[in-house]
Amino acid sequence: KAGVTQTPRYLIKTRGQQVTLSCSPISGHRSVSWYQQTPGQGLQFLFEYFSETQRNKGNFPGRFSGRQFSNSRSEMNVSTLELGDSALYLCASSSYTGELFFGEGSRLTVL
Amino acid sequence: EDKVVQSPLSLVVHEGDTVTLNCSYEVTNFRSLLWYKQEKKAPTFLFMLTSSGIEKKSGRLSSILDKKELFSILNITATQTGDSAIYLCARGPNAGGTSYGKLTFGQGTILTVHP
Repeated sequence: KAGVTQTPRYLIKTRGQQVTLSCSPISGHRSVSWYQQTPGQGLQFLFEYFSETQRNKGNFPGRFSGRQFSNSRSEMNVSTLELGDSALYLCASSSYTGELFFGEGSRLTVL
Repeated sequence: EDKVVQSPLSLVVHEGDTVTLNCSYEVTNFRSLLWYKQEKKAPTFLFMLTSSGIEKKSGRLSSILDKKELFSILNITATQTGDSAIYLCARGPNAGGTSYGKLTFGQGTILTVHP
């Protein structure tokens, strides 16, 4: 059974640009969550999607957005990038049991 | 306040030692407590605990949740160098809600196992 797949794995952007990250959950999982991980703040919840609807949102500015498609794949977008957005962005999928499984992450560097 | 606190923040041991990692939390009305192991990449799922006092085991790892005292521990016996990693504890979503994906993480314990 394939795990959670995230693309791209690494990317470098400059301030002011925007970025889109993609996540394909484990087959059969309908819940997809996104997290930001930085050395200073640790793992912080961004948002959760279930059946194409945002079910929960963390305390991040509106520049961070996401969506989920009918096949449960999800994307997150960060607009007007800032240096502080440099981080590892992790996607996790879960089934009704509540166990979350993470992808390898997308490491974003903003210059 | 919804905080999850792990201790110690870092730990250095030798192969064969037994370690106990601690996780304390403040919110009581939650569905589950989860433990993850993170090496250089994504957190790897270890355990999900939902009931107080019931130990979960997987090989040399075990974990238990105490809902009365608001903490959980992760034990690793006969440690190996491959156990070196960051161990993360996370409180799951509130009970009664529809969310599964919102976890509140602790800051992690960095475990280093020397040969």
